[in-house]
Amino acid sequence: AQSVTQLGSHVSVSEGALVLLRCNYSSSVPPYLFWYVQYPNQGLQLLLKYTTGATLVKGINGFEAEFKKSETSFHLTKPSAHMSDAAEYFCAVSETAAGNKLTFGGGTRVLVKP
Amino acid sequence: SAVISQKPSRDICQRGTSLTIQCQVDSQVTMMFWYRQQPGQSLTLIATANQGSEATYESGFVIDKFPISRPNLTFSTLTVSNMSPEDSSIYLCSVRSGGAGKNIQYFGAGTRLSVL
Repeated sequence: AQSVTQLGSHVSVSEGALVLLRCNYSSSVPPYLFWYVQYPNQGLQLLLKYTTGATLVKGINGFEAEFKKSETSFHLTKPSAHMSDAAEYFCAVSETAAGNKLTFGGGTRVLVKP
Repeated sequence: SAVISQKPSRDICQRGTSLTIQCQVDSQVTMMFWYRQQPGQSLTLIATANQGSEATYESGFVIDKFPISRPNLTFSTLTVSNMSPEDSSIYLCSVRSGGAGKNIQYFGAGTRLSVL
């Protein structure tokens, strides 16, 4: 069985500061990992994904994440926060290339202070 | 990518009634998924709907409560039956796109359901 743990249900950052959202997963097979963002009253939008290959993955809006197998982690970062980054972020894992099921973490709500 | 439209976007319903949510995709997809996002919580997969076969439900979800239709490769419906206040959630449709190995799910904006 898979599971995803996101440390911190709420994160507050100042505009221009580093954004770091933590995600740890549990999977019995090499995982496929994802970060999604949900803006208020909207659906989920894919930020980035890791399937195979390079462990540092770049996504949209300046976000990137690094897959660290030894740490079973897939933390999301952005060097400089923008007000528009205020949203909820979800880490998710899938065990299969077929993508039959995504298991989501509990989500982290990001507040950006001016 | 895939563009997904869900209807209705929100609804307020009375206890004991049923609501059918529609999900329309702008391209043909094999696999469609229905998720529930309860207030303040993460997403939980309800079921996987493949065209031409019965939906596959996750543990804790049953067909009598959440019947699903998948009449073609671009459309699906989820019905929330005999609703109670505990069914108040956001219900999201998603599709897998990109072919084997791509494993990317795209989500609709969701249906915000409140049950009184």
